[in-house]
Amino acid sequence: DVKVTQSSRYLVKRTGEKVFLECVQDMDHENMFWYRQDPGLGLRLIYFSYDVKMKEKGDIPEGYSVSREKKERFSLILESASTNQTSMYLCASSPGQLNTEAFFGQGTRLTVV
Amino acid sequence: AQTVTQSQPEMSVQEAETVTLSCTYDTSESNYYLFWYKQPPSRQMILVIRQEAYKQQNATENRFSVNFQKAAKSFSLKISDSQLGDTAMYFCAFMRHQGAQKLVFGQGTRLTINP
Repeated sequence: DVKVTQSSRYLVKRTGEKVFLECVQDMDHENMFWYRQDPGLGLRLIYFSYDVKMKEKGDIPEGYSVSREKKERFSLILESASTNQTSMYLCASSPGQLNTEAFFGQGTRLTVV
Repeated sequence: AQTVTQSQPEMSVQEAETVTLSCTYDTSESNYYLFWYKQPPSRQMILVIRQEAYKQQNATENRFSVNFQKAAKSFSLKISDSQLGDTAMYFCAFMRHQGAQKLVFGQGTRLTINP
């Protein structure tokens, strides 16, 4: 089974802190994604990567950056956490072929106080 | 840009009943993919069913089937003989046929199956 693992299930950080959310997949997938999930808004794409060291902005990249130094790992960075970044963050990966299933991690619920 | 709309924030049915979740989308493309994902209380997103826009036949997976109306840009999910384990958030999603394989999600529908 494909496994996408996010480093934390729950996280509490203070305003202004630099926050790292880590995601690792074990199936050699080309594509990796970071989504943010908020009630009534569904999932919105923050950033995605289609290869090592390659990244593209999604729909809501402001306040975030990403890093993909190795194929299996995709990190989401909040440079200076703010309370409006309190949310559920979901990582996903997919093989890089069309019409294929995206596999999701279990989510990190981040609270910024 | 593509948009996906789920107009039913919450639904509730009795066990064994049939329920239909609605989804509409907007795109100017003729070829694309549509998906329904399920997110139970465990938060693990699971693919329920997928549809390729160029296929006229509606996709079916056991108790789950879709009604794909391309001209109307509608993609509803029907769950037959609903079970308690079907209780979850359901998300409709769109993916372009070409270019980046990113999913565009709807707002979600919270479905509760009552005993």
